[in-house]
Amino acid sequence: GDSVTQMEGPVTLSEEAFLTINCTYTATGYPSLFWYVQYPGEGLQLLLKATKADDKGSNKGFEATYRKETTSFHLEKGSVQVSDSAVYFCALNRPDSNYQLIWGAGTKLIIKP
Amino acid sequence: GAGVSQSPSNKVTEKGKDVELRCDPISGHTALYWYRQSLGQGLEFLIYFQGNSAPDKSGLPSDRFSAERTGGSVSTLTIQRTQQEDSAVYLCASSLETSRTDTQYFGPGTRLTVL
Repeated sequence: GDSVTQMEGPVTLSEEAFLTINCTYTATGYPSLFWYVQYPGEGLQLLLKATKADDKGSNKGFEATYRKETTSFHLEKGSVQVSDSAVYFCALNRPDSNYQLIWGAGTKLIIKP
Repeated sequence: GAGVSQSPSNKVTEKGKDVELRCDPISGHTALYWYRQSLGQGLEFLIYFQGNSAPDKSGLPSDRFSAERTGGSVSTLTIQRTQQEDSAVYLCASSLETSRTDTQYFGPGTRLTVL
């Protein structure tokens, strides 16, 4: 069945470091791919999305490219800030099941000043 | 405009009691989803509504769980005879329509604790 696998956390980086959080997926059909973020004490927010192969989603300095050949959607940011500390979830929607979201386990990111 | 709202934000109940969780989606959004976020299971789909009908109840974990949506807007998730394993954060999301490209917007969740 459809699934999302993302790197386990926590990931701890210093401020201004380069960030990569890996996400790979298996899916039937042609899903859209999403990164959601959950800041401490807050709800899930959409960070970025890509709806077809080779699309690049971007927001707040984060980027991710929909790679169909490697079934990946890795999240990257060139220079992280303390305020980026949060839990990041990779997800896909299931075209054969009313587009319900299938989630990765989440990666906790800790940025130290 | 207003986002998705959920109430209560926290609910503590005793094992065996019934609970009702409410979701108020973004106005005009026809699709509504319930998910559960628990420590052992991560995020999992529970049920989907299109308008008032629930064509997909495949994620409901047992027949103690039910949900309805009235007037194509507010939805209520009911858990009967709660068990400790029901403890989780229950999340509601809505989207403008059911499509591959649409975004689901989430409410803040209801944290349910079953003692």
